[in-house]
Amino acid sequence: GQQLNQSPQSMFIQEGEDVSMNCTSSSIFNTWLWYKQEPGEGPVLLIALYKAGELTSNGRLTAQFGITRKDSFLNISASIPSDVGIYFCAGQADSWGKLQFGAGTQVVVTP
Amino acid sequence: NAGVTQTPKFQVLKTGQSMTLQCAQDMNHNSMYWYRQDPGMGLRLIYYSASEGTTDKGEVPNGYNVSRLNKREFSLRLESAAPSQTSVYFCASSDGQGAYGYTFGSGTRLTVV
Repeated sequence: GQQLNQSPQSMFIQEGEDVSMNCTSSSIFNTWLWYKQEPGEGPVLLIALYKAGELTSNGRLTAQFGITRKDSFLNISASIPSDVGIYFCAGQADSWGKLQFGAGTQVVVTP
Repeated sequence: NAGVTQTPKFQVLKTGQSMTLQCAQDMNHNSMYWYRQDPGMGLRLIYYSASEGTTDKGEVPNGYNVSRLNKREFSLRLESAAPSQTSVYFCASSDGQGAYGYTFGSGTRLTVV
């Protein structure tokens, strides 16, 4: 079946630094999604991408749908303490397909 | 607030006990899902229901059963709990096309001793 590889597994960064993470797939996806999970809560959708090459921002977050349709990137600029959490990528192969999730990137921000 | 509601939030079971995790959504979504989350493993799909009246196995269905009671409610049952089922369980729903992603509940933390 399809596999999503998300990296890095964890990141320890200082407040103010930029963060980058990515996901790669063995298969093509038509939709890429990025979620954030805060401690004790369920994942919440941050950004959705629907076209190869698409670059979308949500505040300090920017995500890109890779040209090959097999990868996606999420960048967080000027990190702040509330950016702490686990970030998941998710891909969907077709409109009615189930989402495939990456294993998550744990982000820890120190003052 | 609109969304996905899961109960209970926490539960401790003894090995061999049974229990049902409840999930309800008020967004008129067609599809509902049950995931488990374990450290370093991400979210793994247990069962899903593409529409009212249908259920299908996901990646890790063994030891679980589900019921799509109506369009709003999708329950997950552990018939004989095992320590390997200690996990955080998430219910999610979507409009069926997934174009806007899934909406997740806040989770049930289950410990089996």
